[in-house]
Order: sequence, then structure tokens, then C-alpha cells
Amino acid sequence: DVKVTQSSRYLVKRTGEKVFLECVQDMDHENMFWYRQDPGLGLRLIYFSYDVKMKEKGDIPEGYSVSREKKERFSLILESASTNQTSMYLCASSLFWSGKNQPQHFGDGTRLSIL
Amino acid sequence: KQEVTQIPAALSVPEGENLVLNCSFTDSAIYNLQWFRQDPGKGLTSLLLIQSSQREQTSGRLNASLDKSSGRSTLYIAASQPGDSATYLCAVPAGGTSYGKLTFGQGTILTVHP
Repeated sequence: DVKVTQSSRYLVKRTGEKVFLECVQDMDHENMFWYRQDPGLGLRLIYFSYDVKMKEKGDIPEGYSVSREKKERFSLILESASTNQTSMYLCASSLFWSGKNQPQHFGDGTRLSIL
Repeated sequence: KQEVTQIPAALSVPEGENLVLNCSFTDSAIYNLQWFRQDPGKGLTSLLLIQSSQREQTSGRLNASLDKSSGRSTLYIAASQPGDSATYLCAVPAGGTSYGKLTFGQGTILTVHP
């Protein structure tokens, strides 16, 4: 089974802090994704990566950056945390798109609170 | 831009009932459709991926159908159990060379009471 592991289930940080959320997958997947999930807004894509050191903006990249130095690890960075970034953050991975029918596999999520 | 809608937003049924969750999408040029389950405070669990060339996909008590031409999919749950209580989401690829980006519906919150 695919395992996507997010480093923290719950995290509390202060406004203005630099925050790192880590995600690791063990299935050699090329694609990795970061979403946030908010009530009434559903899941929204922040960033994704289709290869090491490659990244593309999703629908809501403002205030975030990402890093993918190794294939198995995809980090989401909040450069200067703000209260409107309080949310549930979900990481996912999948095999490369060329197969066209590759399911996405999700981690358990990180509930981040910015005070 | 692809939009995905799920109806109903919430559903409450007694244990043992068969039920249907609906998903519709605006752009029928999709490669596949994926159904997920999400338990409160948890991540998403992939239930079924139905390819565009398929009309149905089954896993245990779950059956997903896909009608591309009408932009609809249904998830049928047979003999529902309290353990089926969760939010169910459908998602389709965003389209083009999007490297597997998904567009999600808002989800249906299912409660199965004993």
C-alpha cells in the first residue's frame, strides 16, 4: 500500500513565524501535491511538483512556497504565517500523468492553527 | 474551467439502506473520475477510480458509474452501515497537461444511524 506521511497531525504557530510542513511518500511517485481544506471552500490546490526540483503553482499559491529536493519529500513553507492560513493541509502523491489513470493517495493531514 | 458539483450536500439514512451519491462535472473531456472517503479530521482515502472507457467500477459494497456524455457519476452504497458515515468526495482531472491535478466537489456528508 502507498504510504503518504505528513510530519505533524496538529501544529500551533504564531503570526509571522516561518512554518514548514513536511510530506514523505514511499512509492517512488513523481507527482506530489499540497492542498488546503476549509469549510465551505473544499479542497484547493496550493502547489504541485512533477519531478525533483520542479514545481508549479496551483490555485492559491500566495503566501506559500515549496521545496522538492528529493523525490520522496515535498515541503510546504509558509514564509510569514498569518491567521488566514489556519487550515487543514493535505499532501498527496501519484504516479506520473502519462498513465492518465493514476489515483492520488493522501496523507492524514496537518491541522495548522496560526495564533 | 472544470467545475464539480455533488448532490446532496448531506444525507442521513438508517442502517441497511441502499443509497446513491451524485457527482456532476461541466467538462466531459475527462480521463477518469475518482471517489474518495474522508473521516472527520483525517485525510482522504481513495475508494474507486473509474476510467473514461469504463461505465462501472465495483469494490465490495461500493459501485461507481460514469456517464461522460451527460457529465455525471454516481456512487452506490449497498446495505449501508454506521461505519460508512463519512464525507464522500468525487474528483476529476483538471484537464490538459495538468500533471494529474484534480478538481474536487464539495462533498456529501453521509450519516448512517443504527
